[in-house]
Amino acid sequence: SAVISQKPSRDICQRGTSLTIQCQVDSQVTMMFWYRQQPGQSLTLIATANQGSEATYESGFVIDKFPISRPNLTFSTLTVSNMSPEDSSIYLCSVAPNSYEQYFGPGTRLTVT
Amino acid sequence: KNQVEQSPQSLIILEGKNCTLQCNYTVSPFSNLRWYKQDTGRGPVSLTIMTFSENTKSNGRYTATLDADTKQSSLHITASQLSDSASYICVVSLNYGGSQGNLIFGKGTKLSVKP
Repeated sequence: SAVISQKPSRDICQRGTSLTIQCQVDSQVTMMFWYRQQPGQSLTLIATANQGSEATYESGFVIDKFPISRPNLTFSTLTVSNMSPEDSSIYLCSVAPNSYEQYFGPGTRLTVT
Repeated sequence: KNQVEQSPQSLIILEGKNCTLQCNYTVSPFSNLRWYKQDTGRGPVSLTIMTFSENTKSNGRYTATLDADTKQSSLHITASQLSDSASYICVVSLNYGGSQGNLIFGKGTKLSVKP
């Protein structure tokens, strides 16, 4: 299994500002994923973060809005830039040690006012 | 279009009762189907994972079934407890040569267990 921690657990931000979310895993993993969960909705994959290469973004998500860093095999950050109220969501970090298992962090609950 | 649909959207039951949650999917190519439990304010936690050849899998009071022919799955909760109150998410994994992260999520069923 993998234990994932995220910081902050929640935040309230003003529109136009940026927030960086940190994700720490207790073991080395090749691939890390960032998801968004809007109120009452299912999880949507934002991007896949591989160590040593650019993140791969899903349709509808762009690097300028959601820049990602992956400096090593246990850590990643997601920045939500130039925030608007529509960015209010839970942001989840996830890892998949193999094709059969996937673990999720506790999430960061973001409210943009 | 790859989709996972869950029903009911929400459910209220009394403590000690059983319940069954449904999941229908149109996902191809299919790799496996997972049920997750998501407590309020927490990330999803895996309950069961079933491949194409598995019909049923249990995890304590949770029993999942899979009918790959009809593309339906169910999650049965026995003798419910207050701590079962959560959202239950059905997730289907796509089979793209073992690549990871190819998951299709349902919207979840919000279960409330009342004393």
